[in-house]
Amino acid sequence: DAGVIQSPRHEVTEMGQEVTLRCKPISGHNSLFWYRQTMMRGLELLIYFNNNVPIDDSGMPEDRFSAKMPNASFSTLKIQPSEPRDSAVYFCASSFSGPSHNEQFFGPGTRLTVL
Amino acid sequence: DAKTTQPPSMDCAEGRAANLPCNHSTISGNEYVYWYRQIHSQGPQYIIHGLKNNETNEMASLIITEDRKSSTLILPHATLRDTAVYYCIVLMGNAGNMLTFGGGTRLMVKP
Repeated sequence: DAGVIQSPRHEVTEMGQEVTLRCKPISGHNSLFWYRQTMMRGLELLIYFNNNVPIDDSGMPEDRFSAKMPNASFSTLKIQPSEPRDSAVYFCASSFSGPSHNEQFFGPGTRLTVL
Repeated sequence: DAKTTQPPSMDCAEGRAANLPCNHSTISGNEYVYWYRQIHSQGPQYIIHGLKNNETNEMASLIITEDRKSSTLILPHATLRDTAVYYCIVLMGNAGNMLTFGGGTRLMVKP
């Protein structure tokens, strides 16, 4: 199993541009999470999907951020328009949320730099 | 709201046991204790979790006090590759596995 796959691994863009981050969860997992990590704020949960449905998006910073999960094998996190303060490492994670606890598996992250 | 308290940093000699403490004095009866670690530039990695009994796996041991207000993660023979930030997280049984990361403990394993 290739694990959680994220693309791109690095993204450099200019302020005002649209940025789309992509995630392929582990096959068979039914929960998907987007996190953001910065030096100032640490690791923050942005949004959580279960069975492709957004369950909790209270961590999404503002309307410029949106996330979709059109099917069980793909999710996107979009920032439009991007701002320098969005610069961070964005992690996607997946898990199988069943009656018993299962760990989250994290992808390698996308390092976003907004100039 | 901080549910766990961890020392910001610790050192450990290579080959020795690393004991990482965590205080969770407000833990409730159905909350689990989870440990994750993050090696530099990588995504967090699950280590172990427990409810009230001590747990052991191939990576580590988790010792939870009888009153469940604190726990210790033990890496029995630390190697240089164990240098990472270790996060202790308490998690409700039905929270959909949503993780809230605190500051963690930066463990430096030294030769």
